[in-house]
Order: sequence, then structure tokens, then C-alpha cells
Amino acid sequence: DTAVSQTPKYLVTQMGNDKSIKCEQNLGHDTMYWYKQDSKKFLKIMFSYNNKELIINETVPNRFSPKSPDKAHLNLHINSLELGDSAVYFCASSFTGPGTEAFFGQGTRLTVV
Amino acid sequence: AQKVTQAQTEISVVEKEDVTLDCVYETRDTTYYLFWYKQPPSGELVFLIRRNSFDEQNEISGRYSWNFQKSTSSFNFTITASQVVDSAVYFCALKDSGGYQKVTFGTGTKLQVIP
Repeated sequence: DTAVSQTPKYLVTQMGNDKSIKCEQNLGHDTMYWYKQDSKKFLKIMFSYNNKELIINETVPNRFSPKSPDKAHLNLHINSLELGDSAVYFCASSFTGPGTEAFFGQGTRLTVV
Repeated sequence: AQKVTQAQTEISVVEKEDVTLDCVYETRDTTYYLFWYKQPPSGELVFLIRRNSFDEQNEISGRYSWNFQKSTSSFNFTITASQVVDSAVYFCALKDSGGYQKVTFGTGTKLQVIP
């Protein structure tokens, strides 16, 4: 009964590789997000999708490309991985509306070696 | 621009002590929303509370209580009679009412409750 689930939970890969992280939510939310948490625990939004449309695109290298096939899914594809991409990536979802809280997945710890 | 400041990087308390986590925010919006999230050692982010800018009532939920003061732009979180299970990183966050509804997180306060 996981509300927001992302896979994989851990991802270790070499520099230069391309990888994807998948996210699915079963809460009926229409807005989904990707956040990056660095080694100092700082959380920063990367992307936000509302009804499959991109609405927030923070200053993120274009090696990162989100894709939302439907309202319940938001995947993150990363090309040409770099050491600095190592972080925990969180998917989240919420209903549209400013006063709505986001629910987060369990995170994907990406380690680039 | 929005900003959330959690000045306390780490706090250690002995079990059963009360502890208050501070959160100060900045926004130009008159309508905004404040949140607290908990991140236990297992890593997931757990939603704790949401507060609207036009509702300054304090809230109590069990051992948790929140004090929202617009005059000082603060939204502090108190844990009464702390327990070891409260050990976690706690994040305060701010969301404006604009079209993009961007959430800005503070840098987090790591709370360690010592048995």
C-alpha cells in the first residue's frame, strides 16, 4: 500500500553512464516532484509536473530529463552521470493547490563512482 | 524570494527533556503555507504538519506542538518529553500561493535524543 514508491532504492554506477529512476504514486495526486538531497541533507526541488505538464524546472543540468507518462508516474533520466550527481533523489506528490502537503517516496541513493 | 532558516544544525537532549526546534522564514507573499517534515535515520521524509499564514492558532498533537507567530516570522516546533524515536532530522518548509507553488526547505535540524 505504498503511497509514493520509487525504484531503485540504491543505485551505484560509473561515471558517464545513463540511468533512470522511476516513481509512481497511488494517492490520486495531480502534481509530482523530484527533489535532490545532497550530502549535507539540503533539499532542493528539481522539477514539478502538474497533470503531466512541466511547471517547475529549476536550474538543473540538461543531462537530467524528467518524463511523466501519466499523472501517477514521474520518471527521472540522467545522462552522462558525473561524480557530483551522487545524492539522494526524492520523488513526491501532492494535490494541486498551495495549501497541500507533499508526500515523499523513500528516496533513491545514487552513487556515481 | 523565499527563505527558510533553521539556525540549529544539531541538538542533543536526554530522553524525557523538552526540546524546541526553531524555524524562521522570509516571504513577500501575504498568503503562504508552512510545513514540518521529519526524516528519521531510515531516510524517508514524513509529513508532520501544515499551517496557513492566516491561521495563527497554535497546534498540539500528542507530544508535538507548533507555535506560529507572524510578527516574528517564526514557526517553531516543540517536542515534549522527548523519546529516542524522535531522533531524526527535522525540516521546516515554506510554500507560496503563487502559480508554481514552489516549496523551499530549511537546511534541517538534526535532533539526537540520548537514552
